[in-house]
Amino acid sequence: SQTIHQWPATLVQPVGSPLSLECTVEGTSNPNLYWYRQAAGRGLQLLFYSVGIGQISSEVPQNLSASRPQDRQFILSSKKLLLSDSGFYLCAWGLAGAQDTQYFGPGTRLTVL
Amino acid sequence: DAKTTQPPSMDCAEGRAANLPCNHSTISGNEYVYWYRQIHSQGPQYIIHGLKNNETNEMASLIITEDRKSSTLILPHATLRDTAVYYCIVRVKGLGGGSNYKLTFGKGTLLTVNP
Repeated sequence: SQTIHQWPATLVQPVGSPLSLECTVEGTSNPNLYWYRQAAGRGLQLLFYSVGIGQISSEVPQNLSASRPQDRQFILSSKKLLLSDSGFYLCAWGLAGAQDTQYFGPGTRLTVL
Repeated sequence: DAKTTQPPSMDCAEGRAANLPCNHSTISGNEYVYWYRQIHSQGPQYIIHGLKNNETNEMASLIITEDRKSSTLILPHATLRDTAVYYCIVRVKGLGGGSNYKLTFGKGTLLTVNP
């Protein structure tokens, strides 16, 4: 069966510091991968998606970037965090070629102080 | 994707069936109805999806009206662990590119299962 991992689970970072969040998927090949953010009391916002290694599409302009160095690894990064980057970051995967059901990881709660 | 309307909150007694409604009156013929739930501080969990026919799996049943303008998610025997925000999402299945990869989560329904 497929599993998705995210780490760290929680993170507190000062403004201006760098960020690296990692997501890995097991039990499937060539998945579509997604990064969402959920601000406090709000819905999920798609940040990035990837249909293959090195292929990244950004949904909204922002202070963040994403990379996919391996088939089942998705990384969310920032060079300098802003207060507005605080939120609950969720990674998800879906079957390539059938972009309907997405399966979410446990999430990383980021607080920027 | 068509817009959905859900009640902001509902209560259900433990062991009873929870029936969560969703209105999607602008749904088009090739749009599916998806349900997810999000337990506090966890990632959303896929529950079920359907197009026209009613669907059932180990978690829930999905009843879609004949005109497809509304649907109901049924949890047959609610437990305390079913307390969560339930999201009804309408989208086209299987199309790639751009915003078709995006799941648009609204505010959902907070279901509280009481002992």
